[in-house]
Amino acid sequence: SAVISQKPSRDICQRGTSLTIQCQVDSQVTMMFWYRQQPGQSLTLIATANQGSEATYESGFVIDKFPISRPNLTFSTLTVSNMSPEDSSIYLCSGTPGPRTDTQYFGPGTRLTVL
Amino acid sequence: DAKTTQPNSMESNEEEPVHLPCNHSTISGTDYIHWYRQLPSQGPEYVIHGLTSNVNNRMASLAIAEDRKSSTLILHRATLRDAAVYYCILNRTGANNLFFGTGTRLTVIP
Repeated sequence: SAVISQKPSRDICQRGTSLTIQCQVDSQVTMMFWYRQQPGQSLTLIATANQGSEATYESGFVIDKFPISRPNLTFSTLTVSNMSPEDSSIYLCSGTPGPRTDTQYFGPGTRLTVL
Repeated sequence: DAKTTQPNSMESNEEEPVHLPCNHSTISGTDYIHWYRQLPSQGPEYVIHGLTSNVNNRMASLAIAEDRKSSTLILHRATLRDAAVYYCILNRTGANNLFFGTGTRLTVIP
């Protein structure tokens, strides 16, 4: 199993600013992912965080808006850039220990409010 | 990715079994059926997964139809802590990402 923590747990930000969310796993994982959950809705995959290379983004998400880093097998960051109120969501990271998604472990999420 | 269809909400009395259905009529031969649940104010947590045969673990059982076009998550004895949104997800062999549908919100009545 893997235990995933995120920082910050919540934040309130002004429009036009950027916020970097950190995701730390207590053990090495092969894959890490970032999701967004808008109020009252399900999770939407933003991107796969690739170690040592550029993240793989899903349709509708771009690197300029959501730059992602993954310097090693236990850590990743997601930046929400030039924020607007529409970016108010919960952002979750996850990791999977094995080469296939037999089990994916999720962090508790970061609740972001943009004013 | 193949789609799943689940009821928006279900209710169960405490300490009674709960059967949560999922339809996945476009499932392919290499798609695993995964179930995750999301408790209030938490990230999703893995419940169970299977390919063709029924599966049991300490949390739940997964019953898969013979044609694999539907499945049922069974909680044998619902507790108040089982109140959550339950997601049925198809995951292709070799794929590493999950695409969440709308899920079923389970309410457990004391």
